[in-house]
Amino acid sequence: SYVLTQPPSVSVAPGKTARITCGGNNIGSKSVHWYQQKPGQAPVLVIYYDSDRPSGIPERFSGSNSGNTATLTISRVEAGDEADYYCQVWDSSSDHCYVFGTGTKVTVL
Amino acid sequence: QVQLVQSGAEVKKPGASVKVSCKASGYTFTGYYMHWVRQAPGQGLEWMGRINPNSGGTNYAQKFQGRVTMTRDTSISTAYMELSRLRSDDTAVYYCAREAIGYDYWGQGTLVTVSS
Repeated sequence: SYVLTQPPSVSVAPGKTARITCGGNNIGSKSVHWYQQKPGQAPVLVIYYDSDRPSGIPERFSGSNSGNTATLTISRVEAGDEADYYCQVWDSSSDHCYVFGTGTKVTVL
Repeated sequence: QVQLVQSGAEVKKPGASVKVSCKASGYTFTGYYMHWVRQAPGQGLEWMGRINPNSGGTNYAQKFQGRVTMTRDTSISTAYMELSRLRSDDTAVYYCAREAIGYDYWGQGTLVTVSS
């Protein structure tokens, strides 16, 4: 089955930029979604189709996808961005299987 | 407004089954796939499968094949996820999520605890 690998944790100072990677075999050929999850809450979609933002998501959130790595970038990080972040793809080679990444805890210093 | 409201917490013994419901409102239920995702305590998100509410067709993650059944009742706009032969490592929060482009709406989650 398809595997998506994320760093367990990323630490960033307020006002700086956080980059969260999502590694997968030829992930650049797939569409990637990103979710933010705060403790005790359901996840929230922050990026879809690699780089599009749902309404209500700040422009500080952006995404890219190429080769074997997709990246979620959070610019001008705020305390409220502290959360777990998950990437997701649809793996058409696995009988219509959806796969989540391992998740990254973003800590705002 | 779109809402997905799930059934309440459950406590089950090993070997039993659990059925979680997800009642949709605020949109055309048959127009969007419904997915089920679970999250064990302190762990990441795990995709379980999806159902097409219009046709009833399903796709399940290989890990859950033979143990999970997803159904729906279009008359009451409700999706169901039943997991059988429960084990202690099935203890988790179970979410339903609507697929539009990505999962744009999620249920509040249902905690299922498996304990003897």
